[in-house]
Amino acid sequence: EDQVTQSPEALRLQEGESSSLNCSYTVSGLRGLFWYRQDPGKGPEFLFTLYSAGEEKEKERLKATLTKKESFLHITAPKPEDSATYLCAVPNTDKLIFGTGTRLQVFP
Amino acid sequence: DTAVSQTPKYLVTQMGNDKSIKCEQNLGHDTMYWYKQDSKKFLKIMFSYNNKELIINETVPNRFSPKSPDKAHLNLHINSLELGDSAVYFCASSPGTGEQPQHFGDGTRLSIL
Repeated sequence: EDQVTQSPEALRLQEGESSSLNCSYTVSGLRGLFWYRQDPGKGPEFLFTLYSAGEEKEKERLKATLTKKESFLHITAPKPEDSATYLCAVPNTDKLIFGTGTRLQVFP
Repeated sequence: DTAVSQTPKYLVTQMGNDKSIKCEQNLGHDTMYWYKQDSKKFLKIMFSYNNKELIINETVPNRFSPKSPDKAHLNLHINSLELGDSAVYFCASSPGTGEQPQHFGDGTRLSIL
């Protein structure tokens, strides 16, 4: 059965302290991997799509990378406004399978 | 100019009641979805419609009945509400199916008393 696992479950960082979030997956025939950001009381907001191993995407302080078994979301010099839950998801036939997310808190 | 909008944002009701949630998207997408997010923030697909046709029904109790009057609207009707139905329900849309990013509404928080 296809599965998506995210770690850590929660991450507390000091402002400026870089770190990485992990998304590992077991799917037969990966057809892409999506990263989303979810703020409290809001729906998930699309960040990146990665389609093949070795691919990288960047947006401001975020960089997403993909290997054959996992994806990383690197956060460089985070700011308090980066605090949110980050979700990854992989497509399975006509639906997305989501991980349980990493709750990131960045303190000033 | 909200892309995917859901109403109501909050719904508080008693066990046994029937309620509906509405969703509309103005992105011109062909596919719409309903997800349930539980207290642990796990997001799980419930239904998917493509051009008004049901394509995913993920073993959801038949008390839940989606309806798509046109490809811009997907409503969710829930009969005989139970305590376990308390959750946040998200609507989403995408241009097609499968490997395309989905765009989400801000959710409807359903609380059963």
